[in-house]
Amino acid sequence: QTVVTQEPSLTVSPGGTVTLTCASNTGAVTSRYYANWFQQKPGQAPRTLIYSTSNKHSWTPARFSGSLLGGKAALTLSGVQPEDEADYYCLLYYSGTQLVFGGGTKLTVL
Amino acid sequence: EVRLVESGGGLEQPGRSLRLSCSASGFTFGDYAMSWFRQAPGKALEWVGFIRSQAYGGTTEYAASVKGRFTISRDDSKNFAYLQVNSLKAEDTGVYYCTRGGYGNNALDYWGQGTLVTVSS
Repeated sequence: QTVVTQEPSLTVSPGGTVTLTCASNTGAVTSRYYANWFQQKPGQAPRTLIYSTSNKHSWTPARFSGSLLGGKAALTLSGVQPEDEADYYCLLYYSGTQLVFGGGTKLTVL
Repeated sequence: EVRLVESGGGLEQPGRSLRLSCSASGFTFGDYAMSWFRQAPGKALEWVGFIRSQAYGGTTEYAASVKGRFTISRDDSKNFAYLQVNSLKAEDTGVYYCTRGGYGNNALDYWGQGTLVTVSS
């Protein structure tokens, strides 16, 4: 069974930088996994931030960036704002036709 | 403006069926794959499946957890995507979201607000 793992929770200070990661139990995450990142605030629908590892949508704030880091997909927030407090989910594509989410990271801005 | 609106959720008994609808506007619906996701209360997001555009055959892919019970379809003339859920189980309870994209050059981008399905006797 395919398992995608994220940090359950992270805490960052306002103005700081934090990196969330996304690992696969099948091995190193590469660009062929087309990693996506989503932000979800309480009571709201998710919002897509990053697609295909590092591509941003028009609404994605510049402080969010996606990359591959040490065999994992990564989402880095630079200059964290209080409104960035949310749950973040990564999504990986397997063979282009099976999509698997990580368990999510609860980001606290404190 | 791209808009996706899900409907059809509600309280349903185990073993029954339900059809969820996703009304799309603001873009050329037939050019895009459409995906469905769900989220059980307090749990992580889960991919349900997607349907390709007719340019890619209009075929579907499903998560193993729902394959055989769930069916995704589309009506490009009406700009609707559908999710048919059969033999409902308690674990199908959650919010169901439709999104634009999810296959090929169609990146996942816009999400609907979701529709709540509750399966209980």
